[in-house]
Amino acid sequence: NAGVTQTPKFQVLKTGQSMTLQCAQDMNHEYMSWYRQDPGMGLRLIHYSVGAGITDQGEVPNGYNVSRSTTEDFPLRLLSAAPSQTSVYFCASRRAIGGKQYFGPGTRLTVT
Amino acid sequence: TQLLEQSPQFLSIQEGENLTVYCNSSSVFSSLQWYRQEPGEGPVLLVTVVTGGEVKKLKRLTFQFGDARKDSSLHITAAQPGDTGLYLCAGARWSQGGSEKLVFGKGTKLTVNP
Repeated sequence: NAGVTQTPKFQVLKTGQSMTLQCAQDMNHEYMSWYRQDPGMGLRLIHYSVGAGITDQGEVPNGYNVSRSTTEDFPLRLLSAAPSQTSVYFCASRRAIGGKQYFGPGTRLTVT
Repeated sequence: TQLLEQSPQFLSIQEGENLTVYCNSSSVFSSLQWYRQEPGEGPVLLVTVVTGGEVKKLKRLTFQFGDARKDSSLHITAAQPGDTGLYLCAGARWSQGGSEKLVFGKGTKLTVNP
């Protein structure tokens, strides 16, 4: 049972480049979300999804896109990377109601 | 504006000491969660408290949810070096769209020295 997996583990981008952070879960969880973690800021919600085909914005959605074509996968797309997007990104999943939230191991992104 | 204020931000203590971490808000939450995160890893859920006044114990860790469901505390008795890590509280709120979202505090970085 892999839980929540994220790839890549580390990534360096130049300003203006685009890329997709991958997230997958094998627990058949309805709810998936993306957070970014910056020093002294805690975790901030970027986008979330309550099921396949349904996504919504969190606190800090600008510069990011998501889609949820399957229950298992929830990729996060950076359209045009900016230095302000340098952060550690965590994907999480849980059952829709009352479920324990599981986090992936994170992707450390640096934008130069 | 930080919805959940967590204090202290940093805490360095000696093995065997007791400590308390606080998580405060002016908002009411449907539940409150505590996580522990180690360097290079994702947060791991320790406990969820749901009812106002609820107290939960996990070995040497005691979690309490305030009567008004606006605040919570984490108390560690006889801290050990293995307790070292970043402790995060997260409050659950229902959004207008009918889904439950988590709001995280900034975290308390605990170091327990042997």
